[in-house]
Amino acid sequence: DIQMTQSPSSVSASVGDRVSITCRASQDISTWLAWYQQKPGEAPKLLIYVASTLQSGVPSRFSGSGSGTEFTLTISSLRPEDFATYYCQQSHTFPRTFGPGTKVDLK
Amino acid sequence: QVQLQESGPGLVRPSETLSVTCTVSGDSMDNAYWTWIRQPPGKALEWIGYIYNGRVTKYNPSLESRLTLSADTSKNQVSLKLTSLTTADTAIYYCARDRALIRGGTDAFDVWGQGTMVTVSS
Repeated sequence: DIQMTQSPSSVSASVGDRVSITCRASQDISTWLAWYQQKPGEAPKLLIYVASTLQSGVPSRFSGSGSGTEFTLTISSLRPEDFATYYCQQSHTFPRTFGPGTKVDLK
Repeated sequence: QVQLQESGPGLVRPSETLSVTCTVSGDSMDNAYWTWIRQPPGKALEWIGYIYNGRVTKYNPSLESRLTLSADTSKNQVSLKLTSLTTADTAIYYCARDRALIRGGTDAFDVWGQGTMVTVSS
């Protein structure tokens, strides 16, 4: 299985801050990477797919980059509704695997 | 737009079999990878498996010996059966669509149900 890791595991930030989360894959997955946002009590929501393509309806302050084994999710200016847990997921190989998550909370 | 709704038993005893159903509305079940994903309380997401076109299945090897996915296209439903339950199977079980690409394969889970919490306890 492809192992996914994320760093940091949590980040404390303020409204307006720029936040970046890193995701690493245990082997080359090209750009087959998606990012999800999950709020407490809710299902995950797709933000970005194939590493850098914004899902329809997702605000442009979210962006993704990377290829191969290292990827980044960036929130350019944090809004109150962005405090949540973020997961990366590889769609290169089965079984699909997710990262352990990064919690973004209020400083 | 596509909507997914899971239904499950809530509480199941150890060693018993879990049955969960996902009802698909707003779209055909054809040409889509209907996927099950679970999330133990406070933990990360785990891919369970998918069923495609009502009959083609792929399972997580870690669960394959205990898992059966099926579909009833007349009812627009997909179902999960997991046998020999232990407390480690306690989780929210989500149904999701793994979006199919025209050239084959899939790229991301774009539609999710709200999930159903399953607790394995005596």
